[in-house]
Amino acid sequence: NAGVTQTPKFRVLKTGQSMTLLCAQDMNHEYMYWYRQDPGMGLRLIHYSVGEGTTAKGEVPDGYNVSRLKKQNFLLGLESAAPSQTSVYFCASRRDSSSYNSPLHFGNGTRLTVT
Amino acid sequence: DQQVKQNSPSLSVQEGRISILNCDYTNSMFDYFLWYKKYPAEGPTFLISISSIKDKNEDGRFTVFLNKSAKHLSLHIVPSQPGDSAVYFCAAKRAGANNLFFGTGTRLTVIP
Repeated sequence: NAGVTQTPKFRVLKTGQSMTLLCAQDMNHEYMYWYRQDPGMGLRLIHYSVGEGTTAKGEVPDGYNVSRLKKQNFLLGLESAAPSQTSVYFCASRRDSSSYNSPLHFGNGTRLTVT
Repeated sequence: DQQVKQNSPSLSVQEGRISILNCDYTNSMFDYFLWYKKYPAEGPTFLISISSIKDKNEDGRFTVFLNKSAKHLSLHIVPSQPGDSAVYFCAAKRAGANNLFFGTGTRLTVIP
């Protein structure tokens, strides 16, 4: 049981390039999330999805797009990368919206550097 | 504006002693609180949680205390072990909301 898998693990982009981060979960979870972690800022929510075919904005959505065409996959896209998007990106999933029985399960992160 | 704050970036404790990690929050609508533990090059993993209807929740060596009037929670680890060395994140959410708000983390080092 792999849980939440993120690819790639590392990536270096030049300003203006585009890329897609892939998140896959095998737990049949409904909800999926993309967070970014920056020094001194904690984890901040970029976008999330409450089910296949749905997406919604989080705290810091600008410069990112997402898609959830299949329940198990949640893609994060950067159309034109900027140095401010240098960060560690974490994908997470949870079974449902119940707070008590459904904590977030995280992937191991993607470290992105934009030069 | 940081709604969840962990004011101690780091903490060092001797093996066998108690570790106390603190967290403050500003949003009185938060009703569910969690602690996550993170090792290097891994994602955060869920450790323990508490609902606002309780003031204490225990799970083995880990206990979380909630003081709603002070908007403060703490994580106690007794006894601390070297394997507990990690970054600990506090998080909070409102009922029915989809977003978890995270603190900036506290790096715990347990010295053998």
